[in-house]
Amino acid sequence: AQRVTQPEKLLSVFKGAPVELKCNYSYSGSPELFWYVQYSRQRLQLLLRHISRESIKGFTADLNKGETSFHLKKPFAQEEDSAMYYCALRPNTGFQKLVFGTGTRLLVSP
Amino acid sequence: GAGVSQSPSNKVTEKGKDVELRCDPISGHTALYWYRQSLGQGLEFLIYFQGNSAPDKSGLPSDRFSAERTGGSVSTLTIQRTQQEDSAVYLCASSRDGEQFFGPGTRLTVL
Repeated sequence: AQRVTQPEKLLSVFKGAPVELKCNYSYSGSPELFWYVQYSRQRLQLLLRHISRESIKGFTADLNKGETSFHLKKPFAQEEDSAMYYCALRPNTGFQKLVFGTGTRLLVSP
Repeated sequence: GAGVSQSPSNKVTEKGKDVELRCDPISGHTALYWYRQSLGQGLEFLIYFQGNSAPDKSGLPSDRFSAERTGGSVSTLTIQRTQQEDSAVYLCASSRDGEQFFGPGTRLTVL
C-alpha cells in the first residue's frame, strides 16, 4: 500500500534559520512526489514537484529513492513561509489520485 | 479564468440528515477528485472521475457516501444519514495534465 509519512506536526523556527520539512514514502514502484502548501485562509496549491527540479520561493526538494524520502528544504526561512505543508505521492499507475501525508505546520517567527 | 469553486462554503446539519456538496471544476479539466480533510488526519482521497471512465470509488468510507459527475463537469458528493464523524472539510480538485487545482472546500459540521 502507498503511504506518505510526515513525522512533524509542527515545526517552529526563527526568521533566517534553515528549514527542513521531512517526508518519507512507501511504494514499491516509481512514484511522482509533490509538495503542496496551504497558507492561512487560502486554498491548497502546488508548491513543487520532483520531476520539475525547480526551486520555488526558495524551496527545493530532492527525491532520494534509497531512503524513500522527499524532504523540503529552504536555507533561510521567511515569515511569509508560515503555512501548512503537505507531501503527496502519485503512484505511477493509470489513475491520478494523490496520497497525502498528514501535513506539517511551519511557523516562522520574527 | 475562474478556479475550482465549491458550495456551500459551510454546512451545519443534524445527525441523520442527508447533505449534498457541489463542485464546479475548471473548464476543460477532465479529471475531478474529492478529498476529505480532517483534523490530524491529513487529506483522505474519496473518489476520482476521469472523463467517461468508471470512477475510482476506492476511497469512499462507507456506502452512505456517493458522488456523481454530470456532463463531465459539475460534481455532487452526497452523504446520507450523516454521522458526527463525517464532520470535516471536503475538498474538490480538478486537473488536466497532472497538477491538481483545489477548491476552497466545504466545511461540514454534523451536530
